[in-house]
Amino acid sequence: AQKITQTQPGMFVQEKEAVTLDCTYDTSDPSYGLFWYKQPSSGEMIFLIYQGSYDQQNATEGRYSLNFQKARKSANLVISASQLGDSAMYFCATRPLTGANNLFFGTGTRLTVIP
Amino acid sequence: GAVVSQHPSWVICKSGTSVKIECRSLDFQATTMFWYRQFPKQSLMLMATSNEGSKATYEQGVEKDKFLINHASLTLSTLTVTSAHPEDSSFYICSASRTGFTKSNQPQHFGDGTRLSIL
Repeated sequence: AQKITQTQPGMFVQEKEAVTLDCTYDTSDPSYGLFWYKQPSSGEMIFLIYQGSYDQQNATEGRYSLNFQKARKSANLVISASQLGDSAMYFCATRPLTGANNLFFGTGTRLTVIP
Repeated sequence: GAVVSQHPSWVICKSGTSVKIECRSLDFQATTMFWYRQFPKQSLMLMATSNEGSKATYEQGVEKDKFLINHASLTLSTLTVTSAHPEDSSFYICSASRTGFTKSNQPQHFGDGTRLSIL
């Protein structure tokens, strides 16, 4: 079973500042992947970053980094130097390494970047 | 690369109409595609897993006779909402992973979604 919890329904950040979006998960799978997706108001799902449960280092992709704390089962997304175009819904998701290939999503966090 | 096209992007129709939504992987083959449903201000919920050449696997609570899925080729899956009613109004979005890429780090690529409104 998979359960993803995003406790922040909404977040505000000043342009050019950094922001952390929280994500905790509960899974019975021994190996799994963690994903973050961005969903603008237009609806499409944009892949941002991936972290494997077996990865020793935190993932980074440009302005996105993932603060992975396996013991705490958390995978927080850090966005540095926020831009107005970062305003969107952000979803944390997980997928087991074996078996079902689908994603399990959290409830999402709406990020608003303030000029 | 890894583009998924979903069509149509917006549908408005009368109650009782059947609506077909297409999901195509444009530049890769996808043995498996997924159909999600998203209500306003909510998360994506998996409806079914579409498998090329075989029957779809539906999640608990999803009516298979209501939501017909066909995955006839490695690049196309269709979702047909039969005899749609206002409560079927939602945002439907598909995703696909490249065939042969079974590692969990391969991201699913999503279509742009279909907004379905039943009057």
